Amino acid sequence: EVQLVQSGAEVKKPGESLKISCKTSGYSFTNHWIGWVRQMPGKGLEWMGIIYPGDSDVRYSPSFRGQVTISADKSSATAYLQWSRLKSSDTAVYYCARHGRMVAQEGNWFDSWGQGTLVTVSS
Amino acid sequence: DIRLTQSPTSLSASVGDRVTITCRASESILRYLNWYQQKPGKAPVLLIYSSSTSQSGAPSRFSGSGSGTDFTLTISSLQPEDFATYYCQQSYINPSTFGQGTKLDIK
Repeated sequence: EVQLVQSGAEVKKPGESLKISCKTSGYSFTNHWIGWVRQMPGKGLEWMGIIYPGDSDVRYSPSFRGQVTISADKSSATAYLQWSRLKSSDTAVYYCARHGRMVAQEGNWFDSWGQGTLVTVSS
Repeated sequence: DIRLTQSPTSLSASVGDRVTITCRASESILRYLNWYQQKPGKAPVLLIYSSSTSQSGAPSRFSGSGSGTDFTLTISSLQPEDFATYYCQQSYINPSTFGQGTKLDIK
């Protein structure tokens, strides 16, 4: 069974750094792109970017490039999303999700999702 | 970026109704359009991919169609568990983008 289990909720102050995780199991981690999706309070879904764990190739949405860093660790089958300096506008639920079709970057879909990590940034 | 516009943005319907949600792309995305259902406090769930292919486990009352710029998600007979928010997503080109969502609630 494919599983994506995300790290727990975080409460941070503006300017602090943060790294959240998405631990996967039940499939070949290196063969499927994993993406991150933001959902601000009461709002819709926003595609942030994807990573191919096989070679750590990353594609960012222009809206998020330079604001976050996406990475992956093959040894632990875990993907990460990190911020170096959080802002209050980063308050949101962040989901990781797996591409359903192996290898393909485009023409794909998210077939398995993590449970979401709530990040609250407040002074 | 490719913009996806869903209509309606909200919809009230009754159990047993047939419901159609539309997603229009700002340019052709061939058939690279996916549909998700999201319930409050939960992660989205994939229903349909590549415009019309049903995800394993998705109820058969959900179907998708369309190509180019115009796509539809149809629920043939609404069930109580279908009241949720629905999102389309294009995967034709990165960055992938989502529609703004359609909230389906009980009339």
